[in-house]
Amino acid sequence: RKEVEQDPGPFNVPEGATVAFNCTYSNSASQSFFWYRQDCRKEPKLLMSVYSSGNEDGRFTAQLNRASQYISLLIRDSKLSDSATYLCVVILKGGGADGLTFGKGTHLIIQP
Amino acid sequence: DVKVTQSSRYLVKRTGEKVFLECVQDMDHENMFWYRQDPGLGLRLIYFSYDVKMKEKGDIPEGYSVSREKKERFSLILESASTNQTSMYLCASSLSGGVRAFFGQGTRLTVV
Repeated sequence: RKEVEQDPGPFNVPEGATVAFNCTYSNSASQSFFWYRQDCRKEPKLLMSVYSSGNEDGRFTAQLNRASQYISLLIRDSKLSDSATYLCVVILKGGGADGLTFGKGTHLIIQP
Repeated sequence: DVKVTQSSRYLVKRTGEKVFLECVQDMDHENMFWYRQDPGLGLRLIYFSYDVKMKEKGDIPEGYSVSREKKERFSLILESASTNQTSMYLCASSLSGGVRAFFGQGTRLTVV
């Protein structure tokens, strides 16, 4: 069965620092990739899509490396409000019950 | 904005009760999902539906059933609730074709 692996953390990072974490996936047929953010006791919400060319949204940069089968998320100038769990999501081509696979999440704590 | 609505935020049920969790989405999405989320275990897929009356088992279907009589509504049924079904239940929906999923706000179910 395909898997999506993330370091669960927690990552304890001082405010203003840059933090990066990766997510590896095992199925090379994976088609689409996303990072979701989940706050405590809330539902996951889309943070950003991930493309091979990389994409940036303000302080956040996401990258896909298809050859090595991982995606990454970089957060620059981290804020206290960035504290959350970050879930990577991989969607298989063709969808189906296996189509949407979540990593277990990386817990990030930004410290003042 | 896409809206995925779960019928209850918090629910307390007794062991042996039949429990219905309802999920409604307003964007004509083909795919709908039920997950449960437990600390350290991440999101685990219970059932998936890709069309009306169509369903596929996920990773942990035992003790659960689902119903999708209308495209917008996907119900999760606990036939006889047990204490090990105490969890956060999340419903999600998406279009087919490898696109992002939208989540409901979650139902925190406690079985006593």
